[in-house]
Amino acid sequence: ETGVTQTPRHLVMGMTNKKSLKCEQHLGHNAMYWYKQSAKKPLELMFVYNFKEQTENNSVPSRFSPECPNSSHLFLHLHTLQPEDSALYLCASSPTDLPNEQFFGPGTRLTVL
Amino acid sequence: DAKTTQPNSMESNEEEPVHLPCNHSTISGTDYIHWYRQLPSQGPEYVIHGLTSNVNNRMASLAIAEDRKSSTLILHRATLRDAAVYYCILCGFGNEKLTFGTGTRLTIIP
Repeated sequence: ETGVTQTPRHLVMGMTNKKSLKCEQHLGHNAMYWYKQSAKKPLELMFVYNFKEQTENNSVPSRFSPECPNSSHLFLHLHTLQPEDSALYLCASSPTDLPNEQFFGPGTRLTVL
Repeated sequence: DAKTTQPNSMESNEEEPVHLPCNHSTISGTDYIHWYRQLPSQGPEYVIHGLTSNVNNRMASLAIAEDRKSSTLILHRATLRDAAVYYCILCGFGNEKLTFGTGTRLTIIP
C-alpha cells in the first residue's frame, strides 16, 4: 500500500473512553504531523515529529498524547476527551528537505459523545 | 508567519480556465508559496509550489508577481473533479509548518 493511511476512518467515543488513532506512511519520509480540522474552521497543526522526535506541540491539551515509535508510524492517544474535540483528525508526512511538500492521509472522523 | 488573503469562494464553468488569486503582501524573501487543495471528505492534497519564477506541473500552473506580493493558481481546463477548497500558504525557509487559512471554495458549473 502506498501513501499515508489512517485508521480508523470513523470513531465514536464517550468522554471517559481511551482510544488511539493510527497513521502509517509508506513514502520514506522522516517528518510526520497531526492536524485537527473542526467544522467551519481552518486546519490546525497539533504536533510535528522529525526523525521520531517531537519538534512542535501547538499548545495541545494533554488529553491528546502523540507517539512516534519510528519514522513510518504515528499515533494519537486520546483520553478524557470533550464533545468539542469532535473533528476530523488528519495525519501528514513529508521529506525533511525543502520545500515542505506534505502528503495527507484521509483523516479520522472523531465524534465524542 | 506571513499571512495570505484569498477570496472565500469562486465559480467557474467546466472546461474553462480558472485563475485563483492570492495576496501575500508581507511575504519575506525566503518564503515559498505553496498551494494545496482539499476535495470533499478528503485530506488536503499538494498542488504546486514556487519561490520566484512561474511554475508548471501536471495539475496546474503558478504565476508569481514580480514583487512576489501576489500569486495566481491557474487550472487550465477545469473539470468537476477540481471542485475543492484551495489554500495558498507561505512556508519560510527551514520552517516545516504549514498554516492553513480558510482558502477559496471553488465550484465548477457543468
